[in-house]
Amino acid sequence: DTEVTQTPKHLVMGMTNKKSLKCEQHMGHRAMYWYKQKAKKPPELMFVYSYEKLSINESVPSRFSPECPNSSLLNLHLHALQPEDSALYLCASSQGTVPSYEQYFGPGTRLTVT
Amino acid sequence: AQKITQTQPGMFVQEKEAVTLDCTYDTSDPSYGLFWYKQPSSGEMIFLIYQGSYDQQNATEGRYSLNFQKARKSANLVISASQLGDSAMYFCAMREWETASKLTFGTGTRLQVTL
Repeated sequence: DTEVTQTPKHLVMGMTNKKSLKCEQHMGHRAMYWYKQKAKKPPELMFVYSYEKLSINESVPSRFSPECPNSSLLNLHLHALQPEDSALYLCASSQGTVPSYEQYFGPGTRLTVT
Repeated sequence: AQKITQTQPGMFVQEKEAVTLDCTYDTSDPSYGLFWYKQPSSGEMIFLIYQGSYDQQNATEGRYSLNFQKARKSANLVISASQLGDSAMYFCAMREWETASKLTFGTGTRLQVTL
């Protein structure tokens, strides 16, 4: 099973709302990732969790707050977003963080900020 | 400087024909991994194939093969016997040992398979 699930599939939120994106994997992977992808662009790394600890934050604004409650779950808490934050948010996981491990991606959450 | 370069923004191929999608990379790290992903319009990134920098043989996975030319720093994806379902965006990506958590993507090539 190489499945990474993400909920919700679509999300529309106002600039004053608080919402969360959820990602789950049951492959026993110890590294999990959040990416942001704007239309017609490649994904951009936001955060990396390795063994449930935040290992990389790619200078992401604090209105995005990641959380890894356990090795299978990854959340992204959203607060006071801007319209330019509208994008596809992809979660991924891999066995570890060495170069040979491929990342498996979820289907993404399409976020629209109004 | 771009670490991953995909020079073909769009490609067309007829069904049942083979197609090559180009990818060149730039790194001074001797240990790295190269990946190809497919992204249909639905949005999910689908892992296709992996090539390690120390691998002696070109990687193959079903209809996908990777033409790895280390000296030229190129890692082209070859899709044989194209199918309509192959129409998608294709991304080349790299992970270096030194920054192993980070997967760096190229700008992608949109492939259209025609009848």
